[in-house]
Amino acid sequence: DIQMTQSPSSLSASVGDRVTITCQASQDISNYLNWYQQKPGKAPKLLIYDASNLETGVPSRFSGSGSGTDFTFTISSLQPEDIATYYCQQYDNLPHTFGGGTKVEIK
Amino acid sequence: QLQLQESGPGLVKPSETLSLTCTVSGGSISSSSYYWGWIRQPPGKGLEWIGSIYYSGSTYYNPSLKSRVTISVDTSKNQFSLKLSSVTAADTAVYYCARRGPAGYDYWGQGTLVTVSS
Repeated sequence: DIQMTQSPSSLSASVGDRVTITCQASQDISNYLNWYQQKPGKAPKLLIYDASNLETGVPSRFSGSGSGTDFTFTISSLQPEDIATYYCQQYDNLPHTFGGGTKVEIK
Repeated sequence: QLQLQESGPGLVKPSETLSLTCTVSGGSISSSSYYWGWIRQPPGKGLEWIGSIYYSGSTYYNPSLKSRVTISVDTSKNQFSLKLSSVTAADTAVYYCARRGPAGYDYWGQGTLVTVSS
């Protein structure tokens, strides 16, 4: 299985701050990486697909980059409604493994 | 608007079989562009991909669960199902069904909590 290592596991930032989350794959996955947002008690929501493409309807303050083994997810200006846990997921190989998640809180 | 809804018992006894169904509305499960999957999340923990199925019946399972998992599809009812045998407390989780498009899992059910307990 491909291991997805996400960091940090949690972070606290102020409204308006730039937030960055990283995800490292244990082997080359090209750009077969998604980012999801999960709010408490809710299903995950697809934000970014193919490492850097914004899903329809997702605010442009969210972005993704990277390829191969190293990926980055960025919130350019943190908003109160962005409080959630964020997960990366690779879909290059089965099983489609997820990172451990990053819980984002407001400082 | 596509909607997915999980249904099934919320409580299963240890060693028994967990059975869940996902009903798809607002779209056809027989679309050639999509796979249909199950993902679970133990309370307070991360996401685990269980497996997925194509409308033709082709299945893909997580090797860690493969010996206990069966996913099936009923195109006439626009449903797909999950069976997980020989459950233990470690299988207690919120179970989600989801549609996998070319870009990722883009539509999800609301999730259903299944507790394994006697």
